[in-house]
Amino acid sequence: EVQLLESGGGLEQPGGSLRLSCAASGFTFSHYAMSWVRQAPGKGLEWVSGISGSGGTTYYADSVKGRFTISRDNSKNTLYLQMISLRAEDSALYYCAKDPIAEGAVGYFDPWGQGTLVTVSS
Amino acid sequence: EIVLTQSPATLSLSPGERATLSCRASQSVSTYLAWYQQKPGQAPRLLIYDASNRATGIPARFSGSGSGTDFTLTISSLEPGDFAIYYCQQHTTWPPGATFGQGTKVEIK
Repeated sequence: EVQLLESGGGLEQPGGSLRLSCAASGFTFSHYAMSWVRQAPGKGLEWVSGISGSGGTTYYADSVKGRFTISRDNSKNTLYLQMISLRAEDSALYYCAKDPIAEGAVGYFDPWGQGTLVTVSS
Repeated sequence: EIVLTQSPATLSLSPGERATLSCRASQSVSTYLAWYQQKPGQAPRLLIYDASNRATGIPARFSGSGSGTDFTLTISSLEPGDFAIYYCQQHTTWPPGATFGQGTKVEIK
């Protein structure tokens, strides 16, 4: 069974930094692109960042470009999101999500983890 | 950026009724459209991909149709567990990005 378990969220001040992690199991992690998708409280879904299976290619939404860095450690089956210069509008539940197609990237997501909550406030 | 507009915002129906949800794209996305279901306190679950293909384990009462700019998710006969928020998502611009609609809430009448 595929499992995705996010961690690393918490309360951070504006301008601060956090690193989120997503531990994956139940599949050959290095064969699949992965993404981060966030959801502000009571709001809709926003794709944040994606990374190829090898880690060699990364993608970002304009809203986080230059502030967030996605990476992965395929030896540890773990996905990361390093977030710096945090803003109040970055407050959200952050989900990691798996691309369902091996050795490719189709851009829809299945499954999703349960999320880790990031709150940016002074 | 491609904008997805879902309608209605809220759909009030009774169990057993048919639900028809709409997703309109600001420009053609071909059939690169997915639908997700999200229940309170849970992560989204993929229902439909490529406009009309059911994901693994999704019951046959869920069906998707459409191409280009107009898409529909139909739930043929609502069951109690189907009352949730439904999101559409386009991935024609992938990579690098994907965009979601604002969601339709299906609530019990």
